[in-house]
Amino acid sequence: GESVGLHLPTLSVQEGDNSIINCAYSNSASDYFIWYKQESGKGPQFIIDIRSNMDKRQGQRVTVLLNKTVKHLSLQIAATQPGDSAVYFCAEKGGVGNLIFGKGTKLSVKP
Amino acid sequence: DSGVTQTPKHLITATGQRVTLRCSPRSGDLSVYWYQQSLDQGLQFLIQYYNGEERAKGNILERFSAQQFPDLHSELNLSSLELGDSALYFCASSASGVNSYEQYFGPGTRLTVT
Repeated sequence: GESVGLHLPTLSVQEGDNSIINCAYSNSASDYFIWYKQESGKGPQFIIDIRSNMDKRQGQRVTVLLNKTVKHLSLQIAATQPGDSAVYFCAEKGGVGNLIFGKGTKLSVKP
Repeated sequence: DSGVTQTPKHLITATGQRVTLRCSPRSGDLSVYWYQQSLDQGLQFLIQYYNGEERAKGNILERFSAQQFPDLHSELNLSSLELGDSALYFCASSASGVNSYEQYFGPGTRLTVT
């Protein structure tokens, strides 16, 4: 069945370092993935998406990498800042137009 | 600010009661999605409406129902509430077309059932 999971539930990084958040998915037919950031007390905020015909996509300070061979997705955040502290979710397009979310990784940035 | 609004922000009610959560999508978005977020289940898709019509159903209980009105706002009705229904309820909206999976979430309604 469809499922999206995360390798690590928590990640602590030093301010200024790069962060890498990983995600595994099980449905090899998945063709669209999104990363969301959820700050405490707020709704998920769209960060970046990628379609399965791409291996890499870059945004502002963020890069998403897709490895279809091993069904792995990662989000890289460059020069991590305190404002990046949040829970990060990967999501996969579901069969009925919904999004299937992973459990989330909590990123903590140490000053 | 995503442009999606939800009311109320917090709701406390007793078991067996019924509540209505309201969502206004981003201007121009025709699709509205409802999600439930609990500590043990994460973000779970409940139901989607598109331009007033139910489009897809997820893990929505029979005690829950939703509708989308002509002005495109949506309401999620939760009845015969149980303690386990305590959760954050999010509404998201998306435009039609090729970017329809890019969903924008509201701030959520925190429901506490006592």
